[in-house]
Amino acid sequence: SQTIHQWPATLVQPVGSPLSLECTVEGTSNPNLYWYRQAAGRGLQLLFYSVGIGQISSEVPQNLSASRPQDRQFILSSKKLLLSDSGFYLCAWSRVIQTDTQYFGPGTRLTVL
Amino acid sequence: AQSVTQLGSHVSVSEGALVLLRCNYSSSVPPYLFWYVQYPNQGLQLLLKYTSAATLVKGINGFEAEFKKSETSFHLTKPSAHMSDAAEYFCALTQGGSEKLVFGKGTKLTVNP
Repeated sequence: SQTIHQWPATLVQPVGSPLSLECTVEGTSNPNLYWYRQAAGRGLQLLFYSVGIGQISSEVPQNLSASRPQDRQFILSSKKLLLSDSGFYLCAWSRVIQTDTQYFGPGTRLTVL
Repeated sequence: AQSVTQLGSHVSVSEGALVLLRCNYSSSVPPYLFWYVQYPNQGLQLLLKYTSAATLVKGINGFEAEFKKSETSFHLTKPSAHMSDAAEYFCALTQGGSEKLVFGKGTKLTVNP
């Protein structure tokens, strides 16, 4: 069966510090991978998605970036965090077949102070 | 453009009462529709999905949803609410040819004893 991991589970960072959140998927090959953010009262916002190694699509201009160095690894980064980057970050995966279900990880709670 | 509208950001029911969470969609082509549930500080879990087979879809935890093309709706129901159903519920859609889901803003369900 497939599982998706995210770490860390919680993170408190000062404004201006760097960020690295990691997501890995087990039990499947060549998945589509996604990063979402939930900010209070703002629903789910798609940040990035990837259909293969090194292929990243950005949905929202911001100070965040994503990378996919391996088939089942997806990393969300920032060089300098802003207060507005606080939120709950969710990674998800789906099979390459379009219109298939997205399966979500447990999330990372990021607080920027 | 495709969109999802969830009517009511907060719904409150008594334990044992009917749960009805409303979702309307806009799509230029027949969509695939999903309901997800999110418990506090957790990722999203798939409740059920519609993929153009039966219009009445049964999901986990006693939930079901009916696809009504004429009303462009995909409302989620459960005959009898349990305290454990208290969570936030998200309706989402995707179309053939898209790797992305479009989410509604969510409905927070409260179950009163």
